[in-house]
Amino acid sequence: GAVVSQHPSRVICKSGTSVKIECRSLDFQATTMFWYRQFPKQSLMLMATSNEGSKATYEQGVEKDKFLINHASLTLSTLTVTSAHPEDSSFYICSASSAGGAFEETQYFGPGTRLLVL
Amino acid sequence: AQSVAQPEDQVNVAEGNPLTVKCTYSVSGNPYLFWYVQYPNRGLQFLLKYITGDNLVKGSYGFEAEFNKSQTSFHLKKPSALVSDSALYFCAVTINNAGNMLTFGGGTRLMVKP
Repeated sequence: GAVVSQHPSRVICKSGTSVKIECRSLDFQATTMFWYRQFPKQSLMLMATSNEGSKATYEQGVEKDKFLINHASLTLSTLTVTSAHPEDSSFYICSASSAGGAFEETQYFGPGTRLLVL
Repeated sequence: AQSVAQPEDQVNVAEGNPLTVKCTYSVSGNPYLFWYVQYPNRGLQFLLKYITGDNLVKGSYGFEAEFNKSQTSFHLKKPSALVSDSALYFCAVTINNAGNMLTFGGGTRLMVKP
């Protein structure tokens, strides 16, 4: 149980284009989803927290207009990197948690998406 | 504010020997503590957690961790290391349930040599 998937696993795009990353909880309903960014050999940096049906809460320094987050259902959240630039190249990881039930209290992570902007 | 410290960037251990990966935390309130493992180019896999109850927590793949409130520590241990345990390990803390954000330590790379 507690499986979280991400798609795509790897994406290469040209500078100026937008990229959408999907995060799905496969076997539980995720009341909260989190988006992280990880630079090489570094820890995870929380970008934003989203609750189903609500606007995402962004961490300080994260541009909400650049990193659009949608949490339209209890099993799907999307992160769209708009007008991507080379400095947006990174490893993006989502996680999901559920209030109540067998998966309470724990964040379960997706496999990550590596974005390379040329 | 909550924080997590993993004082060792890397831990080297020979296969078959016991391993310890250290973690200390700072929170105002009762901590919820977690260990995750990350393999190259992958997301984090949940290993174990401490919420309440017995201070010794057993998790996946033979790992365990001991919550020590007086030392504010939550060290990860395994009696006999495997080469396949080589990975990046993260300790994390929150003071509420999973609806709230985790604070991660900087990570410790575990290298198990044959």
